[in-house]
Amino acid sequence: GQQVMQIPQYQHVQEGEDFTTYCNSSTTLSNIQWYKQRPGGHPVFLIQLVKSGEVKKQKRLTFQFGEAKKNSSLHITATQTTDVGTYFCAGVDNNDMRFGAGTRLTVKP
Amino acid sequence: DSGVTQTPKHLITATGQRVTLRCSPRSGDLSVYWYQQSLDQGLQFLIQYYNGEERAKGNILERFSAQQFPDLHSELNLSSLELGDSALYFCASSGGPSYEQYFGPGTRLTVT
Repeated sequence: GQQVMQIPQYQHVQEGEDFTTYCNSSTTLSNIQWYKQRPGGHPVFLIQLVKSGEVKKQKRLTFQFGEAKKNSSLHITATQTTDVGTYFCAGVDNNDMRFGAGTRLTVKP
Repeated sequence: DSGVTQTPKHLITATGQRVTLRCSPRSGDLSVYWYQQSLDQGLQFLIQYYNGEERAKGNILERFSAQQFPDLHSELNLSSLELGDSALYFCASSGGPSYEQYFGPGTRLTVT
């Protein structure tokens, strides 16, 4: 069945440094979604990527979907303390959605 | 506010007991998902319902069951509770199987 792997599991950065989390699927995806869960909160939908090679930006966040539609990345430029939390990718394949294990980001001021 | 409601917010019970968690999806959403999140862990997919029908099953134990009612709210039943069942249980809803999911605030279950 479909598997979604996400790395790294943890990332600790100094405020102002960049951060990237990667997501890889064992199957070709119809779309991929990204979610953020703040400490003590619930996952919140950030964005959905559908097209091969698609790149979307939300302020300091850049999301990419691979050409083969099997991998994706989320890059945060110049992290801020408000970026702390766990970032999950979720791959959709044949209407089945599977979440990655998440990357927990901590930011040192 | 995601529009998804979950009750209760907190639940403390003893081993061997049975509890029911309730979820009301966003207005118009037909799909409901249940997830378990243990301390500092990822989201473990349990089960999905679409318009009253079970659509997908994940790592759901036989002691756990769920259903979605005609008014689209859903309940997750956990029985013969064990200490290891202590976790945060999230419900999410979406307009369809591949659409973005909106999560409720979760129910924190503590089994003592």
